[in-house]
Amino acid sequence: GAGVSQTPSNKVTEKGKYVELRCDPISGHTALYWYRQSLGQGPEFLIYFQGTGAADDSGLPNDRFFAVRPEGSVSTLKIQRTERGDSAVYLCASSTTGGNQPQHFGDGTRLSIL
Amino acid sequence: GQQVMQIPQYQHVQEGEDFTTYCNSSTTLSNIQWYKQRPGGHPVFLIQLVKSGEVKKQKRLTFQFGEAKKNSSLHITATQTTDVGTYFCAGPNPFSGGYNKLIFGAGTRLAVHP
Repeated sequence: GAGVSQTPSNKVTEKGKYVELRCDPISGHTALYWYRQSLGQGPEFLIYFQGTGAADDSGLPNDRFFAVRPEGSVSTLKIQRTERGDSAVYLCASSTTGGNQPQHFGDGTRLSIL
Repeated sequence: GQQVMQIPQYQHVQEGEDFTTYCNSSTTLSNIQWYKQRPGGHPVFLIQLVKSGEVKKQKRLTFQFGEAKKNSSLHITATQTTDVGTYFCAGPNPFSGGYNKLIFGAGTRLAVHP
C-alpha cells in the first residue's frame, strides 16, 4: 500500500523566502509527526498532530515555523523568513494512533537555504 | 532534558563479522524503538522493546532492553552488505503524555566491506 508521501523531495530557496512542505500520511493514520534531521544526527522532533489538532508543538524552534493539518490527513509545515540554519531534511511520520506505535516515515524534503 | 546517546558513532566491519551498537538514555524509558536508515533513505521501524530485560530476535539481529530500562543494544551476527546503514534507537519523552514523542539518538553508522 501507499506509504507516507512528502513533497517536494528537494527545495532550494534564498534566505528570507517562505516555504511550504507537504506531508500525505498513510490513510487512516490519526497521528502525524514532523521531524528535522541534520547531517549525521538523528531526527529531531518538531510537532505532533492527533487528528486536526497540534497536540504538541514544543519542538518548533521559533515562531517562524508553523504547521497545519486542517482535515486530519495532509499536513503542511510552513517556514517564514527562512534562514541558512533551517537547511536540513524535514521528515514526516505517521502512526495508527498516538500511543507507542511504530512510526512510518516519508522520504523527507531536503531543504537548502542559500 | 532527556538525552539518548549511542555508541559507537561509526563502525566498519568485514562482511561476516559481528556488529553491536549500544544505546543509553538519561531517563527510564517506557519502551525503546529501533530504526534503520539506509544511505539516502528514511528511517524504517525495526522493533519495539517494552519489558525490562526483554530480548527479541529478527533473523541475524538481536535486540536487548536493559533491566533498568535505560539502555538497549542491537547485535548483528555475521553482517552482510545489506546491513549497511545507520541504526537509531529512540525512546519516548517521559513527559509526552502517553504519545510517541520520540527522542532519537545520533545513530551508529555501519559500513560493511565485502
